[in-house]
Amino acid sequence: EDKVVQSPLSLVVHEGDTVTLNCSYEVTNFRSLLWYKQEKKAPTFLFMLTSSGIEKKSGRLSSILDKKELFSILNITATQTGDSAIYLCAVDESGGSNYKLTFGKGTLLTVNP
Amino acid sequence: DAGITQSPRHKVTETGTPVTLRCHQTENHRYMYWYRQDPGHGLRLIHYSYGVKDTDKGEVSDGYSVSRSKTEDFLLTLESATSSQTSVYFCAISSSGSGNTIYFGEGSWLTVV
Repeated sequence: EDKVVQSPLSLVVHEGDTVTLNCSYEVTNFRSLLWYKQEKKAPTFLFMLTSSGIEKKSGRLSSILDKKELFSILNITATQTGDSAIYLCAVDESGGSNYKLTFGKGTLLTVNP
Repeated sequence: DAGITQSPRHKVTETGTPVTLRCHQTENHRYMYWYRQDPGHGLRLIHYSYGVKDTDKGEVSDGYSVSRSKTEDFLLTLESATSSQTSVYFCAISSSGSGNTIYFGEGSWLTVV
């Protein structure tokens, strides 16, 4: 059973639309939740969230974490074609030298002109 | 961009041959990781290292071995390549094993025929 679930799996929107991507998780020892954007090649870091209810923001992208309900959302306002990518959510359960970062399967976002 | 270089970037090999992928970093980060990414599975951890000569298995380690003789280099070896190991392989680094962002290399595309 998947411990990190992203929805929707894919999404097609028009430029200028606002989108909300979801990430729910079920883990034992939560440390942080991370969002990445992946275009053709390597995933690139967007946000890391550790505290509930505090919004992280970067330009048109923002994200918030709800540790009580075990989910996070990534919002993108005024979407552009350059936002087309796979968005990955990952949950960190690491402790000591024991590393455990679990990725969701991603949301494929397509922004049409 | 994080100073991570993967080589080779693309390789086609035959079933049963050994293959070694190299990851080189210039950030002096302690932790290094090898992930594979496949459709329908997302990013899955193969092995990771938390220091020179210190390595541990991830969730899909069967058929793979790793070595880290220097801080900057982390090698992934497929002992005897199989078609199921056709994938994109990403190296990643982080300064610590938890609570820190991990940064990905550009990926190595491996095809086993």
